[in-house]
Amino acid sequence: EAEVAQSPRYKITEKSQAVAFWCDPISGHATLYWYRQILGQGPELLVQFQDESVVDDSQLPKDRFSAERLKGVDSTLKIQPAELGDSAMYLCASSSTLHPYEQYFGPGTRLTVT
Amino acid sequence: GNSVTQMEGPVTLSEEAFLTINCTYTATGYPSLFWYVQYPGEGLQLLLKATKADDKGSNKGFEATYRKETTSFHLEKGSVQVSDSAVYFCALSALGGADGLTFGKGTHLIIQP
Repeated sequence: EAEVAQSPRYKITEKSQAVAFWCDPISGHATLYWYRQILGQGPELLVQFQDESVVDDSQLPKDRFSAERLKGVDSTLKIQPAELGDSAMYLCASSSTLHPYEQYFGPGTRLTVT
Repeated sequence: GNSVTQMEGPVTLSEEAFLTINCTYTATGYPSLFWYVQYPGEGLQLLLKATKADDKGSNKGFEATYRKETTSFHLEKGSVQVSDSAVYFCALSALGGADGLTFGKGTHLIIQP
């Protein structure tokens, strides 16, 4: 069964350092989402792509976060510089145009900023 | 803005008990509603969905009915099993699935044998 892949699964970094996360959606899925999930909370949308275009990045802290999906397939989310409050699970999800209601989530990247 | 409120956990039940997890929402227009489940050590999975008022979503013995008049989407199961132990998230899509989801905080369900 096709899955959303994310790497790394775990990342520990010091504050003020740069960190990057990678996501490979299910093949053929045009829509890709990045969510942030703080421990004990539900996921919150950071950015949504349709193919290579950003559809919604209204909740992305653009002073330190950036996201790209250059060829409309895999995507990278970057934080620079990382802050203590960025410690969270970063989830990637994808969906197809035919079945937009069904978002498939990857296993996430657990970020700890020290 | 859009928001989802669900009952706080943990909810602890005995095996074969009846389960209800309450979920209410605030949204403009006519959102689509979802329940996602996160089993220990696994990623979020779609459990069920309802895209319009009075629709009933069902899967794996779980059910939820989209009640527009009470803005609710409560999750129910008649007889829970130990394997149902997980965190359950209620969520909405304001644009028919074309947007990112707005999630509740999650309810941790613990089923004891």
